[in-house]
Amino acid sequence: AQSVTQLDSHVSVSEGTPVLLRCNYSSSYSPSLFWYVQHPNKGLQLLLKYTSAATLVKGINGFEAEFKKSETSFHLTKPSAHMSDAAEYFCVVSDDSSASKIIFGSGTRLSIRP
Amino acid sequence: DAGITQSPRHKVTETGTPVTLRCHQTENHRYMYWYRQDPGHGLRLIHYSYGVKDTDKGEVSDGYSVSRSKTEDFLLTLESATSSQTSVYFCAISDRDNNNEQFFGPGTRLTVL
Repeated sequence: AQSVTQLDSHVSVSEGTPVLLRCNYSSSYSPSLFWYVQHPNKGLQLLLKYTSAATLVKGINGFEAEFKKSETSFHLTKPSAHMSDAAEYFCVVSDDSSASKIIFGSGTRLSIRP
Repeated sequence: DAGITQSPRHKVTETGTPVTLRCHQTENHRYMYWYRQDPGHGLRLIHYSYGVKDTDKGEVSDGYSVSRSKTEDFLLTLESATSSQTSVYFCAISDRDNNNEQFFGPGTRLTVL
């Protein structure tokens, strides 16, 4: 069975400081992992994805994530936060053997202080 | 942006009335999904489709039905709406050849009074 846990429901950082959003997963298979971002009153947009190639994945807007199999983690980072990064972020685990085995984390709300 | 539209974008209805939400895509993707989003729950899968007339249940399918008569359209029906179905509903599409990467519509905010 698959599961995904986002360890923080809310993260607040100052503009210009690093961002760390934590995600742990559980999967019986070699999973695909995704981070999506949702700005207020918008749909979800793909930030980046891991699909068993390079373990360090670079995404849009300066975000990146590292797949660590030994720690079953896929944390999202950004070196320097910008005000426009304020949004909800979702970690997603997918089992490629089935179209329905796509599990969303409960989300982390990122706030940016001026 | 992927060509996905949802209609209506907002709807207020009363308990016991039927409601149909529409998802339309122009990407010719095989897979289409309906999710609901509620605070603290992320997105939960209601139903999905893997082709015309081929659908299956997701995690929270009770009280919902779906239909897909054309590749581009996926309808979600609440036969008799209840207040617990007040939520934001998102449609998504995917091409399974791309590791289940999904593209999302803008959402429909449904309020059941």
